[in-house]
Amino acid sequence: EVQLVQSGAEVKKPGESLRISCEGSGYYFNNYWISWVRQMPGKGLEWVGTIDPTDSYTKYSPSFQHHVTISADKSISTVYLQWGSLKASDTAMYFCARHFSESDYPDYWGQGTLVTVSS
Amino acid sequence: QSALTQPASVSGSPGQSITTSCTGVSSDVDGYNYVSWFQQHPGKAPKLIIYDVSKRPSGVSDRFSGSKSGNTASLTISGLQAEDEADYYCSSYTSSGGWLFGGGTKLTVL
Repeated sequence: EVQLVQSGAEVKKPGESLRISCEGSGYYFNNYWISWVRQMPGKGLEWVGTIDPTDSYTKYSPSFQHHVTISADKSISTVYLQWGSLKASDTAMYFCARHFSESDYPDYWGQGTLVTVSS
Repeated sequence: QSALTQPASVSGSPGQSITTSCTGVSSDVDGYNYVSWFQQHPGKAPKLIIYDVSKRPSGVSDRFSGSKSGNTASLTISGLQAEDEADYYCSSYTSSGGWLFGGGTKLTVL
């Protein structure tokens, strides 16, 4: 069974750093890209960026470039989304999703990680 | 890039059909047959229901269908059921790489 299991909810203060994770199982991890998608409270979905775990090639939405970093450790089938300095506006649910190629559709999604940034 | 344009809400009675739209531009919806639709119930992850404009993943009811004409994609749900009440999002691959989502449409089953 294909599964994407994300790390648990986080509560952080503005300016703190954070890394959340997404572990894939039930499929050959290197065959699929992983993207991150943000959903702010009561709002729609926004594509953050994507990574090819094979070579760690990444592409970011211009809205998120320079604020987040996506990385992968294929030895443990895990992709990460990290922030160096969180802002209150980063408060959101973050989903990971797998897709077969850069342009392909996301067929399986993680359960989501709620990030709350508050002083 | 601006989000794809979706109506904020749509409604229908059980057994009826509804169609909702997703409008983009030449660099996304009109330029590629890579339009997907997702269903999201409150507090849940999105679920893929249509990919590549009109294809259904295994296990998705054939009451869901998709189409595209020019820069507008459409999702039709026939034989509405109470469990179809959810938010629906479209997305498209874009010429600059990556995906663009619509703002979402809330479906109410009356």
